[in-house]
Amino acid sequence: KAGVTQTPRYLIKTRGQQVTLSCSPISGHRSVSWYQQTPGQGLQFLFEYFSETQRNKGNFPGRFSGRQFSNSRSEMNVSTLELGDSALYLCASSLEGSEAFFGQGTRLTVV
Amino acid sequence: KNEVEQSPQNLTAQEGEFITINCSYSVGISALHWLQQHPGGGIVSLFMLSSGKKKHGRLIATINIQEKHSSLHITASHPRDSAVYICAVSIIQGAQKLVFGQGTRLTINP
Repeated sequence: KAGVTQTPRYLIKTRGQQVTLSCSPISGHRSVSWYQQTPGQGLQFLFEYFSETQRNKGNFPGRFSGRQFSNSRSEMNVSTLELGDSALYLCASSLEGSEAFFGQGTRLTVV
Repeated sequence: KNEVEQSPQNLTAQEGEFITINCSYSVGISALHWLQQHPGGGIVSLFMLSSGKKKHGRLIATINIQEKHSSLHITASHPRDSAVYICAVSIIQGAQKLVFGQGTRLTINP
Protein backbone atom coordinates (compact mmCIF):
# COMPACT_ATOMS: atom_id res chain seq x y z
CA LYS A 1 0.00 0.00 0.00
CA ALA A 2 1.59 3.28 -1.09
CA GLY A 3 2.14 5.88 1.59
CA VAL A 4 1.45 9.58 1.56
CA THR A 5 3.36 11.24 -1.27
CA GLN A 6 4.37 14.88 -1.23
CA THR A 7 5.88 16.72 -4.16
CA PRO A 8 8.23 18.34 -4.62
CA ARG A 9 10.58 17.32 -1.79
CA TYR A 10 12.64 20.49 -1.98
CA LEU A 11 11.87 23.93 -3.32
CA ILE A 12 13.65 27.26 -3.43
CA LYS A 13 11.61 30.37 -4.14
CA THR A 14 12.19 34.11 -4.08
CA ARG A 15 10.34 36.53 -1.83
CA GLY A 16 7.10 37.68 -3.41
CA GLN A 17 6.63 34.57 -5.53
CA GLN A 18 3.93 32.01 -4.95
CA VAL A 19 4.25 28.27 -4.51
CA THR A 20 2.01 25.22 -4.80
CA LEU A 21 2.69 22.02 -2.91
CA SER A 22 1.00 18.71 -3.61
CA CYS A 23 -0.05 15.83 -1.39
CA SER A 24 -1.40 12.47 -2.55
CA PRO A 25 -3.00 10.59 0.36
CA ILE A 26 -3.14 6.89 0.99
CA SER A 27 -5.81 5.31 -1.18
CA GLY A 28 -9.17 5.45 0.57
CA HIS A 29 -8.21 8.23 2.96
CA ARG A 30 -10.53 11.19 2.60
CA SER A 31 -9.01 13.43 5.28
CA VAL A 32 -5.89 15.41 4.40
CA SER A 33 -4.31 17.85 6.81
CA TRP A 34 -1.38 20.21 6.36
CA TYR A 35 1.22 21.33 8.90
CA GLN A 36 4.11 23.76 8.98
CA GLN A 37 7.27 22.96 10.92
CA THR A 38 9.85 25.63 11.75
CA PRO A 39 12.68 25.61 14.29
CA GLY A 40 11.12 28.49 16.18
CA GLN A 41 7.44 27.55 16.24
CA GLY A 42 7.62 23.78 15.93
CA LEU A 43 4.73 21.99 14.25
CA GLN A 44 1.60 24.01 13.61
CA PHE A 45 -1.69 23.03 12.02
CA LEU A 46 -2.52 24.81 8.76
CA PHE A 47 -5.80 23.28 7.56
CA GLU A 48 -7.70 20.07 7.07
CA TYR A 49 -9.74 18.95 4.09
CA PHE A 50 -12.34 16.23 4.01
CA SER A 51 -14.30 15.27 0.90
CA GLU A 52 -13.19 18.42 -0.95
CA THR A 53 -14.28 20.74 1.88
CA GLN A 54 -12.06 22.67 4.25
CA ARG A 55 -13.11 21.36 7.62
CA ASN A 56 -10.70 23.16 9.95
CA LYS A 57 -8.26 26.02 9.60
CA GLY A 58 -5.30 27.05 11.72
CA ASN A 59 -4.17 30.52 12.63
CA PHE A 60 -2.34 31.47 9.45
CA PRO A 61 -2.78 34.49 7.17
CA GLY A 62 -4.92 34.34 4.06
CA ARG A 63 -1.79 33.94 1.91
CA PHE A 64 -1.99 30.28 2.86
CA SER A 65 -4.74 28.42 1.06
CA GLY A 66 -5.52 24.94 -0.07
CA ARG A 67 -7.92 22.72 -1.85
CA GLN A 68 -8.81 19.08 -2.22
CA PHE A 69 -9.82 17.30 -5.38
CA SER A 70 -12.40 14.57 -5.89
CA ASN A 71 -9.66 11.91 -5.76
CA SER A 72 -8.66 13.28 -2.30
CA ARG A 73 -5.36 14.68 -3.55
CA SER A 74 -4.69 18.04 -1.98
CA GLU A 75 -2.71 21.12 -2.82
CA MET A 76 -1.67 24.01 -0.68
CA ASN A 77 -0.69 27.39 -2.05
CA VAL A 78 1.28 30.18 -0.46
CA SER A 79 1.19 33.53 -2.21
CA THR A 80 3.51 36.51 -1.81
CA LEU A 81 6.16 34.44 -0.10
CA GLU A 82 8.04 35.86 2.86
CA LEU A 83 11.36 34.75 4.33
CA GLY A 84 9.48 33.47 7.37
CA ASP A 85 7.57 30.99 5.23
CA SER A 86 10.73 28.91 4.94
CA ALA A 87 9.77 25.66 6.61
CA LEU A 88 9.09 21.98 6.26
CA TYR A 89 5.50 21.51 5.09
CA LEU A 90 3.98 18.18 6.01
CA CYS A 91 0.72 16.65 5.00
CA ALA A 92 -1.03 13.74 6.63
CA SER A 93 -3.93 11.60 5.57
CA SER A 94 -6.27 9.46 7.60
CA LEU A 95 -9.50 7.59 7.68
CA GLU A 96 -12.18 9.41 9.65
CA GLY A 97 -11.06 9.67 13.28
CA SER A 98 -8.11 7.32 12.98
CA GLU A 99 -4.34 7.75 13.15
CA ALA A 100 -2.59 10.13 10.81
CA PHE A 101 -0.09 8.95 8.21
CA PHE A 102 2.45 11.60 7.30
CA GLY A 103 4.31 12.27 4.09
CA GLN A 104 8.04 13.01 3.94
CA GLY A 105 7.38 16.70 3.64
CA THR A 106 8.34 19.50 1.28
CA ARG A 107 11.21 21.67 2.44
CA LEU A 108 10.59 25.20 1.21
CA THR A 109 13.35 27.79 1.29
CA VAL A 110 12.48 31.41 0.54
CA VAL A 111 15.42 33.62 -0.42
CA LYS B 1 1.79 28.45 28.31
CA ASN B 2 1.61 25.83 25.55
CA GLU B 3 -1.44 23.61 25.45
CA VAL B 4 0.81 20.55 25.13
CA GLU B 5 4.00 20.30 27.17
CA GLN B 6 6.63 17.60 26.89
CA SER B 7 9.49 16.72 29.16
CA PRO B 8 12.35 16.39 28.96
CA GLN B 9 13.24 18.44 25.88
CA ASN B 10 16.48 16.53 25.45
CA LEU B 11 17.42 13.10 26.70
CA THR B 12 20.66 11.20 26.30
CA ALA B 13 20.94 7.61 27.51
CA GLN B 14 23.02 4.50 27.09
CA GLU B 15 21.92 1.55 25.00
CA GLY B 16 19.71 -0.77 26.99
CA GLU B 17 18.29 1.85 29.34
CA PHE B 18 14.58 2.25 30.01
CA ILE B 19 13.33 5.56 28.58
CA THR B 20 10.33 7.63 29.65
CA ILE B 21 9.05 10.73 27.88
CA ASN B 22 6.17 12.66 29.42
CA CYS B 23 3.38 14.73 27.91
CA SER B 24 0.88 16.95 29.72
CA TYR B 25 -1.97 18.81 28.07
CA SER B 26 -4.36 21.47 29.24
CA VAL B 27 -7.24 21.16 26.75
CA GLY B 28 -10.03 18.69 26.20
CA ILE B 29 -8.98 16.04 23.73
CA SER B 30 -10.52 13.27 21.68
CA ALA B 31 -7.20 11.41 21.26
CA LEU B 32 -3.49 11.68 21.92
CA HIS B 33 -0.81 10.76 19.41
CA TRP B 34 2.83 9.84 19.83
CA LEU B 35 4.92 10.54 16.75
CA GLN B 36 8.54 9.86 15.83
CA GLN B 37 10.58 12.11 13.57
CA HIS B 38 13.97 11.14 12.23
CA PRO B 39 16.50 13.55 10.67
CA GLY B 40 15.26 14.37 7.19
CA GLY B 41 11.79 15.20 8.41
CA GLY B 42 9.53 12.22 7.90
CA ILE B 43 7.09 11.61 10.74
CA VAL B 44 5.84 8.19 11.76
CA SER B 45 2.79 7.67 13.91
CA LEU B 46 3.65 5.38 16.84
CA PHE B 47 0.42 5.39 18.82
CA MET B 48 -3.00 6.95 18.88
CA LEU B 49 -4.80 6.47 22.18
CA SER B 50 -7.74 7.86 24.07
CA SER B 51 -7.55 5.72 27.20
CA GLY B 52 -5.45 3.13 28.96
CA LYS B 53 -2.31 1.67 27.52
CA LYS B 54 -0.97 0.42 24.20
CA LYS B 55 2.14 -1.64 23.45
CA HIS B 56 4.00 -2.19 20.21
CA GLY B 57 7.25 -4.09 20.41
CA ARG B 58 9.54 -2.25 22.82
CA LEU B 59 7.29 0.82 22.90
CA ILE B 60 4.55 1.40 25.46
CA ALA B 61 2.21 4.39 25.64
CA THR B 62 -0.09 5.20 28.52
CA ILE B 63 -2.62 7.93 29.09
CA ASN B 64 -4.41 9.20 32.21
CA ILE B 65 -7.38 11.24 31.05
CA GLN B 66 -8.23 12.55 34.54
CA GLU B 67 -4.70 13.87 35.06
CA LYS B 68 -4.32 14.96 31.41
CA HIS B 69 -1.01 13.16 31.17
CA SER B 70 0.58 10.60 28.88
CA SER B 71 3.89 8.77 28.90
CA LEU B 72 5.88 7.02 26.19
CA HIS B 73 8.23 4.30 27.38
CA ILE B 74 10.97 2.58 25.44
CA THR B 75 12.36 -0.63 26.89
CA ALA B 76 15.84 -1.94 26.05
CA SER B 77 16.67 1.24 24.13
CA HIS B 78 18.83 1.00 21.02
CA PRO B 79 20.78 3.62 19.04
CA ARG B 80 18.22 3.30 16.23
CA ASP B 81 15.63 4.72 18.65
CA SER B 82 17.47 8.06 18.45
CA ALA B 83 14.95 10.52 17.06
CA VAL B 84 12.62 13.34 18.06
CA TYR B 85 9.47 12.10 19.78
CA ILE B 86 6.44 14.36 19.52
CA CYS B 87 3.23 14.29 21.51
CA ALA B 88 0.16 15.68 19.76
CA VAL B 89 -3.51 15.91 20.69
CA SER B 90 -6.65 15.89 18.59
CA ILE B 91 -8.94 18.57 19.95
CA ILE B 92 -11.91 17.91 17.70
CA GLN B 93 -13.58 14.50 17.56
CA GLY B 94 -12.89 12.77 14.26
CA ALA B 95 -10.77 15.59 12.84
CA GLN B 96 -7.03 15.80 12.28
CA LYS B 97 -6.55 19.25 13.76
CA LEU B 98 -3.53 18.34 15.88
CA VAL B 99 -1.87 20.49 18.53
CA PHE B 100 1.75 19.52 19.08
CA GLY B 101 4.22 19.50 21.91
CA GLN B 102 7.67 20.87 21.29
CA GLY B 103 9.22 17.42 20.97
CA THR B 104 11.81 15.44 22.90
CA ARG B 105 15.16 14.83 21.24
CA LEU B 106 16.33 11.37 22.28
CA THR B 107 19.90 10.19 21.74
CA ILE B 108 20.87 6.63 22.59
CA ASN B 109 24.60 6.02 22.75
CA PRO B 110 26.04 2.54 22.06
